[in-house]
Amino acid sequence: DVKVTQSSRYLVKRTGEKVFLECVQDMDHENMFWYRQDPGLGLRLIYFSYDVKMKEKGDIPEGYSVSREKKERFSLILESASTNQTSMYLCASSQGTAWGTQYFGPGTRLLVL
Amino acid sequence: KQEVTQIPAALSVPEGENLVLNCSFTDSAIYNLQWFRQDPGKGLTSLLLIQSSQREQTSGRLNASLDKSSGRSTLYIAASQPGDSATYLCAVSLYNTDKLIFGTGTRLQVFP
Repeated sequence: DVKVTQSSRYLVKRTGEKVFLECVQDMDHENMFWYRQDPGLGLRLIYFSYDVKMKEKGDIPEGYSVSREKKERFSLILESASTNQTSMYLCASSQGTAWGTQYFGPGTRLLVL
Repeated sequence: KQEVTQIPAALSVPEGENLVLNCSFTDSAIYNLQWFRQDPGKGLTSLLLIQSSQREQTSGRLNASLDKSSGRSTLYIAASQPGDSATYLCAVSLYNTDKLIFGTGTRLQVFP
C-alpha cells in the first residue's frame, strides 16, 4: 500500500514564526502536492512538484514556499506565519501524470495564534 | 474557470438505503474524475477514478458514473452502512493542466 506520512498531526505556532511542514511518501512517486482545506472552500492547491528540485505554483501560493531535495520528501514552508494560514494542510503524491490517482497523507491541522 | 459543485452538502439516511451523491462541473474538457472519501480530521482516500472516455466504474457497493457532455457525475452507494458515514468529495482534472479541482463535498451520515 502507498503510504504518505506528514510530520505532525497538530501544530500550534505564533504569528511571524517560520513553519515547516514535512511530507514523505514511500512509493517512489514522481508527483507531490500540497493543499489546504478550509470549511466552505474545499481543497485548494498551494504548490506541486514533478521531480526533485522542481516546483510549480498552484492556485494559492502566496505566503508559502516549498522544497523538494529528495524524491520522497516534499516540504511546505510558511515564511512568516499569519492567522489566516490557520488551516488543515494535506499532502498528496501520484505516479506518472498528475492526473493519476492521488494518495493523501493524514493531514496537519495548523493553528496560528 | 472550472467549478465543481456537489449537492447535497449534507445527507442523513437510515442504514440499508441506496443513495446517490451528485457532482457537477462547468467545463467538460476533463481528463478524468475522481471520487474520494474523507473521515473527520483525516486525509482523503481515493474510491474511484473514471477516465473521460469511460461511462462508469464500480468497486464493491460503490458505482460512479460520468456524463461528460452534461458535466455530471454520480456516486451510487448500495445498501448503506454506518461505516459509510464520511464526507465524499469529487475532483476533476483538466486537459493541459496538472491540477485537480475539488468540490466542497457531501457530508453523509448513515444511522443504524
